[in-house]
Amino acid sequence: DAGVIQSPRHEVTEMGQEVTLRCKPISGHNSLFWYRQTMMRGLELLIYFNNNVPIDDSGMPEDRFSAKMPNASFSTLKIQPSEPRDSAVYFCASSHRGETQYFGPGTRLLVL
Amino acid sequence: QKEVEQDPGPLSVPEGAIVSLNCTYSNSAFQYFMWYRQYSRKGPELLMYTYSSGNKEDGRFTAQVDKSSKYISLFIRDSQPSDSATYLCAMNRHETSGSRLTFGEGTQLTVNP
Repeated sequence: DAGVIQSPRHEVTEMGQEVTLRCKPISGHNSLFWYRQTMMRGLELLIYFNNNVPIDDSGMPEDRFSAKMPNASFSTLKIQPSEPRDSAVYFCASSHRGETQYFGPGTRLLVL
Repeated sequence: QKEVEQDPGPLSVPEGAIVSLNCTYSNSAFQYFMWYRQYSRKGPELLMYTYSSGNKEDGRFTAQVDKSSKYISLFIRDSQPSDSATYLCAMNRHETSGSRLTFGEGTQLTVNP
């Protein structure tokens, strides 16, 4: 199994630009999670989906952030417009029937 | 008060030492307990997973859960420099529809050769 796949692995952009992060969960997993990790705040859950439906988006920092899951094998996290304080590592994770989560390698985002 | 408390360390030990990493939690609804290992600039990697009180062993690693005390531990025997990483405890309530994990802050471990 290829595991959770994320792209891009690194992203450098300028403030105000739109950023789109992509995730392909493990085949057969029905839950998908987006996290953000920073030194100051640790690992924070942003949003998660069950069977492609958003269940809890209370961790999404503000309206500049949006996430979609159009099908069972693909999800996006979009930031528009991006700001320097959005610089972090963004992880996607997936799980099967509520069991433990498997993380992707992360996208390292730097907003200048 | 945080739902999950974990000593952030850092913890530095000599090679071969026994390492004990611990978390306490306050929510008695937590049923599933995990330990993740995260190397620098990598994603968290599942190390151990258990859902019952008692011990679970996997090679040099032993996970211990005490639900009555709301306390979990990870023991590493014969620690190696390659064990140097941040260790995060995590737990959830397990629902077949999927549920969020609650993570500890992570303990940074360095094993010195």
